[in-house]
Amino acid sequence: AQSVTQPDIHITVSEGASLELRCNYSYGATPYLFWYVQSPGQGLQLLLKYFSGDTLVQGIKGFEAEFKRSQSSFNLRKPSVHWSDAAEYFCAASGANNLFFGTGTRLTVIP
Amino acid sequence: EAGVAQSPRYKIIEKRQSVAFWCNPISGHATLYWYQQILGQGPKLLIQFQNNGVVDDSQLPKDRFSAERLKGVDSTLKIQPAKLEDSAVYLCASSLVSSYRETQYFGPGTRLLVL
Repeated sequence: AQSVTQPDIHITVSEGASLELRCNYSYGATPYLFWYVQSPGQGLQLLLKYFSGDTLVQGIKGFEAEFKRSQSSFNLRKPSVHWSDAAEYFCAASGANNLFFGTGTRLTVIP
Repeated sequence: EAGVAQSPRYKIIEKRQSVAFWCNPISGHATLYWYQQILGQGPKLLIQFQNNGVVDDSQLPKDRFSAERLKGVDSTLKIQPAKLEDSAVYLCASSLVSSYRETQYFGPGTRLLVL
């Protein structure tokens, strides 16, 4: 069955520290992969997406993600976290006719 | 460019009552999606429209949920009668065309609480 797994429900990092959010997918073929961010009371905003080509994808707000086929992973990274990055992060994967979201990772940033 | 608009932002009803949510997509976007996001879970697609036609409603509980997109612009999602388990955030999204490669733009959502 197609699925997206985000193993970390909640992550806390200090401002200025690096960040990595994990995402694993299960699909028959290589899916299209996305990372969205949801701030409190807001809708989801696309951070970046991967379809093919270069496995390191750059997104908005200084985020990047790396697609690793051998590990079925698409982890999100940021070298230095800002307090405004505190939010819920969702990984999503799609085939031709559907889009599956993971359960999300809540990021807390401490001063 | 105006984003996806949704109303109301919050709604509290009692079980067995009915409720309706409204969505206005980004101008020119042919595809409109309704998602249900239960607390602690990721959004789940309920229905997808291409213009005013339904592309996918396989996850819509049709015994109580209905949706329409008259004239291919605004859309309304209705629940009748509501159950406790319908408490969730209902997100509307739109995209230029009907492809999951396309970026979906999300509205702020309607938070529904069923008592």
